[in-house]
Amino acid sequence: ILNVEQSPQSLHVQEGDSTNFTCSFPSSNFYALHWYRWETAKSPEALFVMTLNGDEKKKGRISATLNTKEGYSYLYIKGSQPEDSATYLCAFDSGGGADGLTFGKGTHLIIQP
Amino acid sequence: DAGITQSPRHKVTETGTPVTLRCHQTENHRYMYWYRQDPGHGLRLIHYSYGVKDTDKGEVSDGYSVSRSKTEDFLLTLESATSSQTSVYFCAISPQGAGEKLFFGSGTQLSVL
Repeated sequence: ILNVEQSPQSLHVQEGDSTNFTCSFPSSNFYALHWYRWETAKSPEALFVMTLNGDEKKKGRISATLNTKEGYSYLYIKGSQPEDSATYLCAFDSGGGADGLTFGKGTHLIIQP
Repeated sequence: DAGITQSPRHKVTETGTPVTLRCHQTENHRYMYWYRQDPGHGLRLIHYSYGVKDTDKGEVSDGYSVSRSKTEDFLLTLESATSSQTSVYFCAISPQGAGEKLFFGSGTQLSVL
């Protein structure tokens, strides 16, 4: 069983502040790293899929970086807004088979007005 | 949402009874997955399918079986439900599998009493 760790487990951030959190994953058998946003009472929704070491992706105020050699990815949110409140999941993609996608437990982000 | 429908949305059943959950997609995606979500755990893969009649086990497949007789339908069956199978079940789809983002259904809340 692969170990995908996310930290912190939960995070309270003041509206307007920027924040970031971490996903750690095995550095071997890497194919891709996924980030999903999961709002309460909704389904997880894909933010990014990253495959290359050094990759950076951006979607509005949210961006992510990837370091496959050391096995971590950061997700950044700039100027947090209440609508950013959600659980952010990362998932390690080993490229197929029964271990195809292993999810972390998520970082629960709460933006306080 | 991508064209994914899970049914039922909620179900309460008794220990020992059979239960079938249905996932229906209109996207003609090749890959379909069943995950379960439990407190303290990330999404865990139960079974997945990479084509009609092509299925394989995931991390937590014991006590579950699946069938895919048509591209659009992926059924998850609990032959004899147990209380440990009380969970939220998510169906997901992707066009090509490895390296592709997943699209999730709305989930099925299953309670086994």
